[in-house]
Amino acid sequence: EVYLVESGGGLAQPGVSLRLSCAASGFTFSNFAMSWVRQAPGKGLEWVSGVGPSGATTYYADAVKGRFTISRDNSKNTLHLQINSLRTEDTAIYYCARVISYHSDFWGQGTLVTVSS
Amino acid sequence: DIQMTQSPSSLSASIGDRVTITCRASQSISNSLNWYQQRPGKAPDLLIYFASTLQDGVPSRFSGSGSGTDFTLTINGLQREDFATYYCQQSYTTLVYTFGQGTKVEMK
Repeated sequence: EVYLVESGGGLAQPGVSLRLSCAASGFTFSNFAMSWVRQAPGKGLEWVSGVGPSGATTYYADAVKGRFTISRDNSKNTLHLQINSLRTEDTAIYYCARVISYHSDFWGQGTLVTVSS
Repeated sequence: DIQMTQSPSSLSASIGDRVTITCRASQSISNSLNWYQQRPGKAPDLLIYFASTLQDGVPSRFSGSGSGTDFTLTINGLQREDFATYYCQQSYTTLVYTFGQGTKVEMK
């Protein structure tokens, strides 16, 4: 069975950095693209970033380009999202999701990031 | 960037009703359109991909149609567990898969 478990969220001050992780199991991680999607409190889903199966290709929403870095460690079946210069508008639940044939078929339960002074 | 616009943003319906949600892309996306359901406090669940292909395990009362810029999600015979928020998503641009703003289906 496919499992995706996010971690690394919490309360952080504006301006600091945070690294989110997503541990994958139950499938051959290196065969799939992966993505991060976030959801601010009471708001809709926002696509944040995607990475190809090898990690060589990365993609970002315009809203986060330059501050967010997606990466993966296929030897550890783990996906990461580095968030620099945190802003209050980054407050959200961050979900990782597996991408197959242009859609996301499995999602983690999310990790909450709260940015506040 | 491709913008996705859903309508309505919310609707009220009763058990057994037929519900239709529309999604419009700012440019043609062929059939690169997915639909997700999200219940409160839960992660999204994939319902339909490639505009009309039902994900394994999704009840047949859900259906999708459309191509190009205009798409529709239909629920035939609304059930209690279908009261949720629905999102369309374009997957035309490589790994930048933008969502619509969501449609909340509430009980009348």
